[in-house]
Amino acid sequence: KNEVEQSPQNLTAQEGEFITINCSYSVGISALHWLQQHPGGGIVSLFMLSSGKKKHGRLIATINIQEKHSSLHITASHPRDSAVYICAVGTNFGNEKLTFGTGTRLTIIP
Amino acid sequence: GAGVSQTPSNKVTEKGKYVELRCDPISGHTALYWYRQSLGQGPEFLIYFQGTGAADDSGLPNDRFFAVRPEGSVSTLKIQRTERGDSAVYLCASSLRVKGADSGANVLTFGAGSRLTVL
Repeated sequence: KNEVEQSPQNLTAQEGEFITINCSYSVGISALHWLQQHPGGGIVSLFMLSSGKKKHGRLIATINIQEKHSSLHITASHPRDSAVYICAVGTNFGNEKLTFGTGTRLTIIP
Repeated sequence: GAGVSQTPSNKVTEKGKYVELRCDPISGHTALYWYRQSLGQGPEFLIYFQGTGAADDSGLPNDRFFAVRPEGSVSTLKIQRTERGDSAVYLCASSLRVKGADSGANVLTFGAGSRLTVL
């Protein structure tokens, strides 16, 4: 069993839909990261959080430490949101050595 | 520099050859990480530098892999006697590394990666 599991693996939705991507992990963590990777592109950090909720524009990330679960939400989705979204956890407060999930491929259809 | 720069962006080599991949982190970032991403997978940790020293090299797959960061900025990942299984995108990331797990300064900035293909 992977330490970090994401669901769904693939998600296709219509433009404007509310999107939820889930991440479950099995280890104690110092922080959880959500990252975005466009095809052929680099990885962009979206959020780093260790408790509660963070919001940036149309993106919202939440984490429940007790349940070892995090969600990434996208409101009013747009085709430019199409990318792979990756959840990663750090287990050491001293560094950002991360364990990554395999990602969720999101496709938003106009 | 403005971002994390990795060179080359693409490298095609033959089995058995030696390869060097370079990472130029954001100026002032003390922490530097190398990750490897195989097709369809999430990145896997290779090695982490804090300053000039390798603080954690537990992810290096075997002794053919080695990395240096002699002056605490640019890092080079070196792969000897390359094998077809080494083909992947090698990602470098850096962070400022300040105390506090939730500090925004500890967010990683990734380079675009170096795609290595071993024929």
